[in-house]
Amino acid sequence: AQKITQTQPGMFVQEKEAVTLDCTYDTSDQSYGLFWYKQPSSGEMIFLIYQGSYDEQNATEGRYSLNFQKARKSANLVISASQLGDSAMYFCAMRDTGNQFYFGTGTSLTVIP
Amino acid sequence: DVKVTQSSRYLVKRTGEKVFLECVQDMDHENMFWYRQDPGLGLRLIYFSYDVKMKEKGDIPEGYSVSREKKERFSLILESASTNQTSMYLCASTRENIQYFGAGTRLSVL
Repeated sequence: AQKITQTQPGMFVQEKEAVTLDCTYDTSDQSYGLFWYKQPSSGEMIFLIYQGSYDEQNATEGRYSLNFQKARKSANLVISASQLGDSAMYFCAMRDTGNQFYFGTGTSLTVIP
Repeated sequence: DVKVTQSSRYLVKRTGEKVFLECVQDMDHENMFWYRQDPGLGLRLIYFSYDVKMKEKGDIPEGYSVSREKKERFSLILESASTNQTSMYLCASTRENIQYFGAGTRLSVL
């Protein structure tokens, strides 16, 4: 069964606007971690943000925030004040209790000037 | 800063060749991983290693092997490259439960 689901293959956002990238996950573990990575056209996977399953506050890192809704098993990434350099593929990932990592199929974000 | 280095960004090989993809991390991490990435399929785990000389199969180990003789180096080996192994290969190591990736190797098998 798919562990991570990203339902948006492609998204467009106007420069300086906010955008939400969706991610849902599936696990029966109590302890797990959720991650977002950015992959520009150069290919490197860049770690953006992390949320632990026991963290009560939503994680934030600069313009990135993770909207964690545990009951819905969703971990959406919010990018505020989009910049042209934000155009990239974005991957949601989960680490389970056994330290296995699972990745979604990605969302391609294009920022329009 | 965490540094994960993959030896080649681009590689072109012929069918049947033996191919080595090298990955080195400089942070004394115990856990290292090899993934391949194909359009529409996301990242798929090939092999991982929790310590020197230890290896575990991931989701798609067929056609691949690995070597971890030193803690900092994790090598992916294609014993006899085939065209369906043309892909992007990503190495990662883990610190404090977060995976950090190398820049990736785009392998083309002709």
